[in-house]
Amino acid sequence: NAGVTQTPKFRILKIGQSMTLQCTQDMNHNYMYWYRQDPGMGLKLIYYSVGAGITDKGEVPNGYNVSRSTTEDFPLRLELAAPSQTSVYFCASSPQGATQYFGPGTRLLVL
Amino acid sequence: AQSVTQLGSHVSVSEGALVLLRCNYSSSVPPYLFWYVQYPNQGLQLLLKYTTGATLVKGINGFEAEFKKSETSFHLTKPSAHMSDAAEYFCAVSDRAGTASKLTFGTGTRLQVTL
Repeated sequence: NAGVTQTPKFRILKIGQSMTLQCTQDMNHNYMYWYRQDPGMGLKLIYYSVGAGITDKGEVPNGYNVSRSTTEDFPLRLELAAPSQTSVYFCASSPQGATQYFGPGTRLLVL
Repeated sequence: AQSVTQLGSHVSVSEGALVLLRCNYSSSVPPYLFWYVQYPNQGLQLLLKYTTGATLVKGINGFEAEFKKSETSFHLTKPSAHMSDAAEYFCAVSDRAGTASKLTFGTGTRLQVTL
């Protein structure tokens, strides 16, 4: 049972480039989430999804997009990378209204 | 709206000493409360949670926390620290309302354990 997996583990982007952070869960959870973690700031919710085809904005959605075509996958898209998007990104999933299970994270550096 | 305040960004204890990590929350609805631990270069792992019922909650690795509604607190304790407890600890509150349990995190407390 792999739980929540994220790829890549680390990536360096140039300003203006785009990329997709992948997130997959094998627990058949309806709810999935994307967070970013900045030093001394805790985790901030970017987007979340309550099921395939349904997504909604979190606290810090600007500069990001998401899609949810299947229960298992919840990719996060950065269209025009900016230095402010340098962060560690965590994906999480949960059954309805319960504990969230986190992936190992993707460390992104935008130069 | 909900918020979490963790007092002390860094806490240092000696091995074998009591661990106390403080968390106060604000929530307009009865909260779900969580403590997560993050080891270096890893994701977050659930330590324990409070939803309803008993206010003293026991978690993994000997940690426990007590929900005190009157003090809006959910402090994390462990009677005797071990070197392996060195990590960053996050308190979080969940808004029960709505269809998704969105977590609001505190800024974290880094626990250092010394010999």
